Amino acid sequence: GAVVSQHPSWVICKSGTSVKIECRSLDFQATTMFWYRQFPKQSLMLMATSNEGSKATYEQGVEKDKFLINHASLTLSTLTVTSAHPEDSSFYICSARQGAVTGELFFGEGSRLTVL
Amino acid sequence: DAKTTQPTSMDCAEGRAANLPCNHSTISGNEYVYWYRQIHSQGPQYIIHGLKNNETNEMASLIITEDRKSSTLILPHATLRDTAVYYCIVSYQLTFGKGTKLSVIP
Repeated sequence: GAVVSQHPSWVICKSGTSVKIECRSLDFQATTMFWYRQFPKQSLMLMATSNEGSKATYEQGVEKDKFLINHASLTLSTLTVTSAHPEDSSFYICSARQGAVTGELFFGEGSRLTVL
Repeated sequence: DAKTTQPTSMDCAEGRAANLPCNHSTISGNEYVYWYRQIHSQGPQYIIHGLKNNETNEMASLIITEDRKSSTLILPHATLRDTAVYYCIVSYQLTFGKGTKLSVIP
């Protein structure tokens, strides 16, 4: 199947700093990518939909100024957590859809963020 | 968007078939049913998907009822490595429910 890669796999940062997480589709072009957040023992929560060349669409309750999403190319989307705080510590997962809106979603390995 | 409901947890003996049900009673006519699983601290892994007909691949089989309001994922010979949380979602809905925690027991 198609491969989606995330980097870094884990990151520790100090409170107040910004952290960037990259999501790449390695062997296909992804017009649309999705960012999820998962807290311990909870399900994945969709944060935003990232469309190549346009602004991301954020889910209700997700601060767009805090979670900056850029989708500059068909194979790369980035999530920047700005001015991170300990409550932003979570597992962040991206996914990309191959082909049409009914195409399957391929997920990255996830990035674990710990804010001290 | 259609919502899905799944049992919170299930146990299955190693080597036996694991049957995981999912209700998606509000699914629309052109939405696919997808199954993913997540092993602790990893990204979800695609298993199988289908629209109307039953589907089978090297990992599992998917049985969709004729009215498409529910489906069952079948792992024919469960192994310990199949222990995971299994999620059923429909194609236009990108939100995940709580899934079913499957425990395969030796």
